[in-house]
Amino acid sequence: AQSVTQPDIHITVSEGASLELRCNYSYGATPYLFWYVQSPGQGLQLLLKYFSGDTLVQGIKGFEAEFKRSQSSFNLRKPSVHWSDAAEYFCAALGVNAGNMLTFGGGTRLMVKP
Amino acid sequence: DSGVTQTPKHLITATGQRVTLRCSPRSGDLSVYWYQQSLDQGLQFLIQYYNGEERAKGNILERFSAQQFPDLHSELNLSSLELGDSALYFCASSAGSGGLGDTEAFFGQGTRLTVV
Repeated sequence: AQSVTQPDIHITVSEGASLELRCNYSYGATPYLFWYVQSPGQGLQLLLKYFSGDTLVQGIKGFEAEFKRSQSSFNLRKPSVHWSDAAEYFCAALGVNAGNMLTFGGGTRLMVKP
Repeated sequence: DSGVTQTPKHLITATGQRVTLRCSPRSGDLSVYWYQQSLDQGLQFLIQYYNGEERAKGNILERFSAQQFPDLHSELNLSSLELGDSALYFCASSAGSGGLGDTEAFFGQGTRLTVV
């Protein structure tokens, strides 16, 4: 079955430190891949997406993600975390032949220490 | 502000009751998607409408139904509510019809439903 896995439920980093959030997918063919952020009381906001081409994708708010086909991964990174980055992050995938069902991972809650 | 409006923001109701959640998409967006977010199930796709027609169906219970009206707003109807239906229900909209992959989707702030 198609699935998206985010192995880390919670991550805590210090402000100014680098960040990497992991995402793995299980699909027959490479799906479209997305990262969303959900701040408390807010809806989901798209950070970045990968369809094809360059495997390093730049997004908003200084985030980037790298697609690695060999590892079926699409990890999100940020070189220096700000306190305002504290939120929940969701990786999602859309299978090219799976209709319109965007499949989300379970989410990673990021906490930022001052 | 994503431009997608969901009402009400919070809803508390008793088991067995019926509720209607409303979503107004961004101006010009023809697709509306409904998602359920719960602690045990995560974010689950329920259903998509495009320009008034049902386009795709996900893990939507038979007790739940939705529709999209000529003015493109959508309603999600939840009936015979159970405790396990307590969740955050999100609506998203996009301009295209081919799923969230062909264009950016914008999410509303959600309706938090509590069934007591």
